[in-house]
Amino acid sequence: DSGVTQTPKHLITATGQRVTLRCSPRSGDLSVYWYQQSLDQGLQFLIQYYNGEERAKGNILERFSAQQFPDLHSELNLSSLELGDSALYFCASSVGGLAVTGELFFGEGSRLTVL
Amino acid sequence: AQTVTQSQPEMSVQEAETVTLSCTYDTSESNYYLFWYKQPPSRQMILVIRQEAYKQQNATENRFSVNFQKAAKSFSLKISDSQLGDTAMYFCAFMNNNAGNMLTFGGGTRLMVKP
Repeated sequence: DSGVTQTPKHLITATGQRVTLRCSPRSGDLSVYWYQQSLDQGLQFLIQYYNGEERAKGNILERFSAQQFPDLHSELNLSSLELGDSALYFCASSVGGLAVTGELFFGEGSRLTVL
Repeated sequence: AQTVTQSQPEMSVQEAETVTLSCTYDTSESNYYLFWYKQPPSRQMILVIRQEAYKQQNATENRFSVNFQKAAKSFSLKISDSQLGDTAMYFCAFMNNNAGNMLTFGGGTRLMVKP
């Protein structure tokens, strides 16, 4: 158990819909990262938050947004969903923006299926 | 931008034998971390081993060791005495210390350990 909690584990929805994925980082971790894992694109970095503020942005679509709340949990919002958004979405956390260990701890992922 | 390449999409090894997974990366940075993550069928991303670029000594974790060639930008993973539980996807990943701990992943190698 990494200590990172993601909900829901599975989600099935239709094209055009909007979903929210939630992540609770390990206790004490200030940084949260979101990754998308799809068959054709592999593991892609989406976005990072550090102590409530956006820190780094990767290949995140404009239809997607995220935020980190004062209690440090994070949500990834996916809107106007398309078939190609079907993927496993991982959340990871680390101690801080410049963590000494450099290690990220991953949740079990949220499997999104868009029909 | 950093890139990570794993040239072996699939590999297999007999139980108790040794296997080496390849990884190369491209970066202009001098201060970074390299990782191998394991993703079993449970989907959980599990850290296998970590290497700091400033360390010349190759990292070792029990049956897992790396061959880190900084000049060649190569970072291979050797698994000794392979076990059935080693069957998984293995991802090589790069982290730039100056980029907020964002991980860049390779495409992965699917390893099958045969009894």
